[in-house]
Amino acid sequence: QVQLVESGGGVVQTGRSLRLSCAASGFSFNNFAMHWVRQAPGKGLEWVTIIWWDGSYKFYGDSVKGRFTISRDSSKSMVYLQMNSLRAEDTAVYYCARDRHDGYFGMDVWGQGTTVIVAS
Amino acid sequence: SYELTQPPSVSVSPGQTARITCSGDTLPKQHAYWYQQKPGQAPVLVIFKGNERPSGIPDRFSGSISGTTVTLTISGVQAEDEADYYCQSSGTSGPYVLFGGGTKLTV
Repeated sequence: QVQLVESGGGVVQTGRSLRLSCAASGFSFNNFAMHWVRQAPGKGLEWVTIIWWDGSYKFYGDSVKGRFTISRDSSKSMVYLQMNSLRAEDTAVYYCARDRHDGYFGMDVWGQGTTVIVAS
Repeated sequence: SYELTQPPSVSVSPGQTARITCSGDTLPKQHAYWYQQKPGQAPVLVIFKGNERPSGIPDRFSGSISGTTVTLTISGVQAEDEADYYCQSSGTSGPYVLFGGGTKLTV
């Protein structure tokens, strides 16, 4: 079945780096753009970034621009989120999500999330 | 920057109709999506492109638009529909994705 599984979360100190991974299965990974979305404790959803189906374009939310980098490995059906210069406000559950591929950036498949805690 | 504005909470009795609104200046130009999120779970897409339902979503869920406001309507609300609901859209210049603040539906 169509599935996304995130990993790589954990507790990290302020200013350090962390890399999240998202393993995709059950669909033609190379045909879909992929997003990362996060949710701080008790807060709403915040879009983080998107990578085009072929990796040719990447866009970021203002709060992570210049610190986070999205990438993908089509040979492994994997998406990554490299997070540098982490701040306390980056503490959240990070979800990987598949773009609907309809031109309006809706997300039709979500992983269960991985938790990142940034502590001083 | 632009925003999507949702009411923080909506409360209905079982069997009634719940309406959750989402307002934003770009909504007439960009399609809206709605997600349901239950505690401790990932979001689930319930409405896409304004008024279409993914397979497996009950037909009591529907979407509509009027001007700069989109509405998620849940007819014949059931206890299992109690959740947080988020609208989502995008900017008119590039793939800038935005979520509304979320609405807690209490049944």
